[in-house]
Amino acid sequence: EAGVAQSPRYKIIEKRQSVAFWCNPISGHATLYWYQQILGQGPKLLIQFQNNGVVDDSQLPKDRFSAERLKGVDSTLKIQPAKLEDSAVYLCASNSADRGELGYTFGSGTRLTVV
Amino acid sequence: EDKVVQSPLSLVVHEGDTVTLNCSYEVTNFRSLLWYKQEKKAPTFLFMLTSSGIEKKSGRLSSILDKKELFSILNITATQTGDSAIYLCASLGADGLTFGKGTHLIIQP
Repeated sequence: EAGVAQSPRYKIIEKRQSVAFWCNPISGHATLYWYQQILGQGPKLLIQFQNNGVVDDSQLPKDRFSAERLKGVDSTLKIQPAKLEDSAVYLCASNSADRGELGYTFGSGTRLTVV
Repeated sequence: EDKVVQSPLSLVVHEGDTVTLNCSYEVTNFRSLLWYKQEKKAPTFLFMLTSSGIEKKSGRLSSILDKKELFSILNITATQTGDSAIYLCASLGADGLTFGKGTHLIIQP
């Protein structure tokens, strides 16, 4: 089975610029997550989708971050405008309800550097 | 708020040594505890633990959960340089999946 696809792999932008990340989950996985992993820390959940609906976005800085999953398949995460502290790896993960916790599969992530 | 604390944060050992990584958690509506290995970017799944006292084993890696004391350990015996990675512990509870900061393990030849 194909894994979780993310692009781009790396992105360097200047502060105040905008950036978007893309994620394509494993086929059939209804649940999609975006995590932010700052260097030296564990991944922190930004947003969770169930199909095309948002389940949890309590830790998403909504003044600058937005995410969508319009058709319930792939998803985009946007930062506008970016700050230096947004430098991190952004991980996408997907899961299917029938596999429970065992089904969590992560993409390779996008490493964002804000200068 | 759910919390997961891992220790040590970093560890350097020699090939062949045995290591024990620790994970403690405070989770509302605890469902399971998971261990991941993160080498470059994507964490890869190692173990899922739901019951106390039952050891999960995969080759040189093993893990056990203590739901009374709210902790788990991950053991790696006869370590190899390929075991060098960040090992993440995560709990699944009311807040979803909460990760610890990870233990950065370095195996020296």
